[in-house]
Amino acid sequence: QVQLQESGPGLVKPSGTLSLTCAVSGGSISSSNWWSWVRQPPGKGLEWIGEIYHSGSTNYNPSLKSRVTISVDKSKNQFSLKLSSVTAADTAVYYCARSEIVVVIPGAFDIWGQGTMVTVSS
Amino acid sequence: EIVLTQSPGTLSLSPGERATLSCRASQSVSSSYLAWYQQKPGQAPRLLIYGASSRATGIPDRFSGSGSGTDFTLTISRLEPEDFAVYYCQQYGSSPPTFGPGTKVDIK
Repeated sequence: QVQLQESGPGLVKPSGTLSLTCAVSGGSISSSNWWSWVRQPPGKGLEWIGEIYHSGSTNYNPSLKSRVTISVDKSKNQFSLKLSSVTAADTAVYYCARSEIVVVIPGAFDIWGQGTMVTVSS
Repeated sequence: EIVLTQSPGTLSLSPGERATLSCRASQSVSSSYLAWYQQKPGQAPRLLIYGASSRATGIPDRFSGSGSGTDFTLTISRLEPEDFAVYYCQQYGSSPPTFGPGTKVDIK
C-alpha cells in the first residue's frame, strides 16, 4: 500500500527557509490524488499548508501563501515543501498526506506520513 | 474560511461507555465533506470517517458519524482502551480545508 515518508533538516535558523521532501512509495505520485502538507505546533492543532497535483497545479493556505512553495518531482516520486522567512511560530511537526479526488475536489486525508519535527531556532 | 468548533474540549469516560463528540461549522459544509481523525501521542492522525458518515478502511463499526449542514457528530458506541486519544474534525468542501481544535477523550 501507499506509504509517505518526510525528510529534511530538523533545525532551521530564523529568517531562513524550511525545506522538506515527502517520498511516496507503494504507488505513483501521478495517480489521481492531491498531495498535501499539514503542520502541528507542539501541543496544538492541525493546520493545512497547501497541496499539489502531479500536473503541478497547487493550492495554498491564504495565511501562508506568500511564503510557501510546493513542488513535485515525478521522476523521484516525491513532492517538496519550501517555507521562507521562518520564525519560531513555524516550529511544528510537519506531515505530508494524500487525499483522493472526490468528484472533482480533494477529499479527506486518508494516508499520512509519520511526521517530522522542525524547530526554528538560532 | 470555514471555522470549526469542537465540544467538549475534554471528555472523561470509562471503557465501555458511549462517547459523543460534536463539531460545528461557521457555515454549511458543502456536500457533507466532513471528516473525523483520531490522533494518539507521537503519531500521525488516522482517518476514521469521511463524507460525514462513511467509515474509512479498517475502522471498527463502533465508530459512527452523522450530521449535515453545520452540525456533525462522532459517536463511539463502546469505548475500548485504545480509543482514548484526541479527535479532530475537518472540512474539505471549501478551500482552505480546515480542522477543528480537537476533543480529548481521556480515561475517567
